[in-house]
Formats: sequence, structure tokens, C-alpha cells
Amino acid sequence: AQSVTQLGSHVSVSEGALVLLRCNYSSSVPPYLFWYVQYPNQGLQLLLKYTSAATLVKGINGFEAEFKKSETSFHLTKPSAHMSDAAEYFCAVSQTGANNLFFGTGTRLTVIP
Amino acid sequence: EAGVAQSPRYKIIEKRQSVAFWCNPISGHATLYWYQQILGQGPKLLIQFQNNGVVDDSQLPKDRFSAERLKGVDSTLKIQPAKLEDSAVYLCASSLVSGSQVGEQFFGPGTRLTVL
Repeated sequence: AQSVTQLGSHVSVSEGALVLLRCNYSSSVPPYLFWYVQYPNQGLQLLLKYTSAATLVKGINGFEAEFKKSETSFHLTKPSAHMSDAAEYFCAVSQTGANNLFFGTGTRLTVIP
Repeated sequence: EAGVAQSPRYKIIEKRQSVAFWCNPISGHATLYWYQQILGQGPKLLIQFQNNGVVDDSQLPKDRFSAERLKGVDSTLKIQPAKLEDSAVYLCASSLVSGSQVGEQFFGPGTRLTVL
């Protein structure tokens, strides 16, 4: 069985502050992990993915995530928040690559000017 | 490169009516997915096609939902009859790779369904 848990359905940060969105996974085999972003009235866009290569993964728009097997975590970070980062972020896990994505419930990020 | 297209963008119907959604994936993408995203939740996979064959429909409520992908390109998702709990955004996605390859799913903008 596989699942993801996103801690915090809403996160607010000030512009220029560190962004930290938490994701913990459960998987019976080494997982593939993804972070997607969803802007209002738009589809999901891939930010980054972990595919068992480097544990620190860099994505688009300055985001990165670190795979920590001992903590079963894949938290998303960005050193300095920008107003345009305000969106909903989804963590997803798959045991088979691109197929069969299991999504978390999402974290809505608000950036305060 | 054109993205995944979906129509309509919004649909309001009454319960027990039927509704259909259309999806046109990115050209050349063999794999197509339909997801249901209920407000406050993450997307849930309903059905996955590989070309025009069904790979996974284990979470599709087959008593009321149906989907087809004729000729391995466009796809239609139908609900008949609709229930109040079907109110959600229906997302279509496509990917180039399949099987155990790790790829990216590209999502369309979704169709927001409201059942009254």
C-alpha cells in the first residue's frame, strides 16, 4: 500500500521568508515521489520528482525537496517566497513511476506582502 | 506544444441527469488518465488508458461512470445518472511514457462539475 500525508492544509509565509511544505510517505517498495503545484482554475504542474537518483532534487521556480528514507519524508522548500508562489501544492507517491499516482490532500500556500 | 485540452470548463446539472466530459491529450502521448478532485482533497485516479485499452479502472464507480478512448487519442468520461457527491473537478492528464518508466503527467485545466 502507498499513501502520502501532507501536514498543514494551510501555510502562510511572508514574502522573502523560507517556504517549507511537509510531506511524509508510506510505501512498501522504494517510491517515486512528486510535488505538483496547482494555480487557481488551472491543472497541476510538476515542480520536481524523485526517482532514486540524487536525494536532493531541484525543481522549477527555485523549489527543491530532499528525500529522507529514515524519516519517510519528502519536504518541499524554497529559500525566499515570492508572491507568485501562492498556490496549492500536492505531494504524490507512486510505486511504478508515472502511473498510479497517489496524491496527498494538498497544502495551500499564502504569501503575505 | 499544445497542452491537454478539456471541455467544458464548467457544468451545472441536476441530480439524476447525465453529463459527459471530453479530453484531448498532448499529441503522441499514449497514456491518458482521468482524475476526480473533490474540494479539499487531492486528485484521485478514476481510470487509466494505454492507447485505447484500459490499464486501471479499479476506482471507477462502474454503475454510473463510463469512459472510452476511441482510436487511442481523445477520451470521453460520462456520468449517468449523476449524484450530489459527484460534484468535483474532473482532471484529464496524459503522459508519454508508460510501464515502469518514470515520467511526467501533464494535466489539463479540468472540468468543474456542480450537481444540484
